[in-house]
Amino acid sequence: KNEVEQSPQNLTAQEGEFITINCSYSVGISALHWLQQHPGGGIVSLFMLSSGKKKHGRLIATINIQEKHSSLHITASHPRDSAVYICAVSRLWAQKLVFGQGTRLTINP
Amino acid sequence: EPEVTQTPSHQVTQMGQEVILRCVPISNHLYFYWYRQILGQKVEFLVSFYNNEISEKSEIFDDQFSVERPDGSNFTLKIRSTKLEDSAMYFCASSVFVLTDPQPQHFGDGTRLSIL
Repeated sequence: KNEVEQSPQNLTAQEGEFITINCSYSVGISALHWLQQHPGGGIVSLFMLSSGKKKHGRLIATINIQEKHSSLHITASHPRDSAVYICAVSRLWAQKLVFGQGTRLTINP
Repeated sequence: EPEVTQTPSHQVTQMGQEVILRCVPISNHLYFYWYRQILGQKVEFLVSFYNNEISEKSEIFDDQFSVERPDGSNFTLKIRSTKLEDSAMYFCASSVFVLTDPQPQHFGDGTRLSIL
């Protein structure tokens, strides 16, 4: 069983829609990371959080430690948001990241 | 904003040859990582490096692989005797090091390695 599971695997939406991507994990963590992978392959860190909620522009990330669940929300989605969004965790006492399989998001104009 | 840079962006190599993938981490970062992503699969951890030694490695990181920080700026991944299954995107990442707190990792754009 994967330590980090994301849903959905693929998501297609219309421009302007509110987007939610979910992540569940099964191990003890020190932090959860949301990353964006561009079509060319490069990876950019969006958020790192260990409790509560963080917001950056139209992106919002939340985490529920008790339920071992996190969500990434995109408000007023735009075609330029089209990418693969990856959830990853830092396990307790380790620096390495353990990755989910990613969610491919496509926003149509 | 400081960036992690990786070279080359694409490497094509014959099976059995040795390859060296290069990375320049962000200058004040002390923790370095290599990850790989086989086409269509999730990103996997290979190795982490701190204070001039390997701090953790995965089962993938066997004797075929080695890492080195040959000078104050470069961080390299060497793959000896490459196999077809080594074809993947290899990502370098770096982070500052704080003993008690996790830190964001900054990724390079990756090196796409193709073994023929």
